[in-house]
Amino acid sequence: AQSVTQLDSQVPVFEEAPVELRCNYSSSVSVYLFWYVQYPNQGLQLLLKYLSGSTLVKGINGFEAEFNKSQTSFHLRKPSVHISDTAEYFCAVTSINAGGTSYGKLTFGQGTILTVHP
Amino acid sequence: GAGVSQTPSNKVTEKGKYVELRCDPISGHTALYWYRQSLGQGPEFLIYFQGTGAADDSGLPNDRFFAVRPEGSVSTLKIQRTERGDSAVYLCASSPRLASGSRNEQFFGPGTRLTVL
Repeated sequence: AQSVTQLDSQVPVFEEAPVELRCNYSSSVSVYLFWYVQYPNQGLQLLLKYLSGSTLVKGINGFEAEFNKSQTSFHLRKPSVHISDTAEYFCAVTSINAGGTSYGKLTFGQGTILTVHP
Repeated sequence: GAGVSQTPSNKVTEKGKYVELRCDPISGHTALYWYRQSLGQGPEFLIYFQGTGAADDSGLPNDRFFAVRPEGSVSTLKIQRTERGDSAVYLCASSPRLASGSRNEQFFGPGTRLTVL
């Protein structure tokens, strides 16, 4: 079984300030990790993913995330946010087998609503 | 190219009625997933198809929920005797064929908002 905890349900921030959205996961097997963004009245869009290799992953729109295996965390960061980053962000995991193939289903966190104020 | 499409975008029904929700995956994607997103929650897994067969249906909440994918492309999620608690956004996603050592990225559709009165 696996689970994802997003530690903040809402994060308000001013434009051009840095932001960190926190994500912790629990799994008895190896996982792949993802961050998705959901803009109002739109579907989920992939921001970035960690599969293997460097623990610092860069995604779209200037976001990056760092995988920390010892702390089972995958926090999302952006050094300077824009009004257009206002959205809901979801952290997700999927279990993988020894060959690196995913078992399929994603387990999502509860989401963090990021609100960027002018 | 076209993304994942879902129809209808909104569905309002009465308690006890039957509904069908349709998903058209990205062309060539063999894996298809259904999720349910209740208000204020993250998406929850319902069922996963690899080709025509359901590879994992462990997320279906009860026997009122059923999904099919008869030709390995379009999928239909069917809900019988709807209840008010079924009200949610139903999301569909697809991903390319999985091969040994490959990774999956799921591409999501815009969802169908189901409201049961």
